[in-house]
Amino acid sequence: DAGVIQSPRHEVTEMGQEVTLRCKPISGHNSLFWYRQTMMRGLELLIYFNNNVPIDDSGMPEDRFSAKMPNASFSTLKIQPSEPRDSAVYFCASSSANSNQPQHFGDGTRLSIL
Amino acid sequence: GIQVEQSPPDLILQEGANSTLRCNFSDSVNNLQWFHQNPWGQLINLFYIPSGTKQNGRLSATTVATERYSLLYISSSQTTDSGVYFCAALNSGGYQKVTFGTGTKLQVIP
Repeated sequence: DAGVIQSPRHEVTEMGQEVTLRCKPISGHNSLFWYRQTMMRGLELLIYFNNNVPIDDSGMPEDRFSAKMPNASFSTLKIQPSEPRDSAVYFCASSSANSNQPQHFGDGTRLSIL
Repeated sequence: GIQVEQSPPDLILQEGANSTLRCNFSDSVNNLQWFHQNPWGQLINLFYIPSGTKQNGRLSATTVATERYSLLYISSSQTTDSGVYFCAALNSGGYQKVTFGTGTKLQVIP
């Protein structure tokens, strides 16, 4: 079975540019999560979708960050404009909404803002 | 929100040694997951364990939900076990809000 697929794997861009990260969840999963991992703050939940609807975006750092899930098989996390402090590894995870199901993570996108 | 603490923060083992990693959580949880983040950064599911004990090869995990802790046992460690081990607690709220611990960084030396 295909796992959670994220793209790109690596992104290097200059500050001020728009960055779009993509995620394809596991087929049949109806919950999707975006996380950010940094040395200073560890793994943080940014936003959670259930059935394509954002349920909790309290972890989104500021208005420069936005996330969408237009359908059950695709989600994007956008940063505009990007800043050097946004450099991190961004993970997407998916699961079934049943709380007895584990989350499965993609391989992450390593983002560097110069 | 829920607090998740892991110990020890760092661990160096000789290949073949056994170890126990601990995860404490501050409130009741629906479930608990253990992950291994390998040197390439991938987060690999190890266990999904609300209570009791599970075993998978050289690894096993025990969660005592009433006492708010979970343990991960690694036996006969190998260099491929190196990496960071995270526990993640799923809260008892209406959805799967996951809080990660700060991790245990394990280095297994030959």
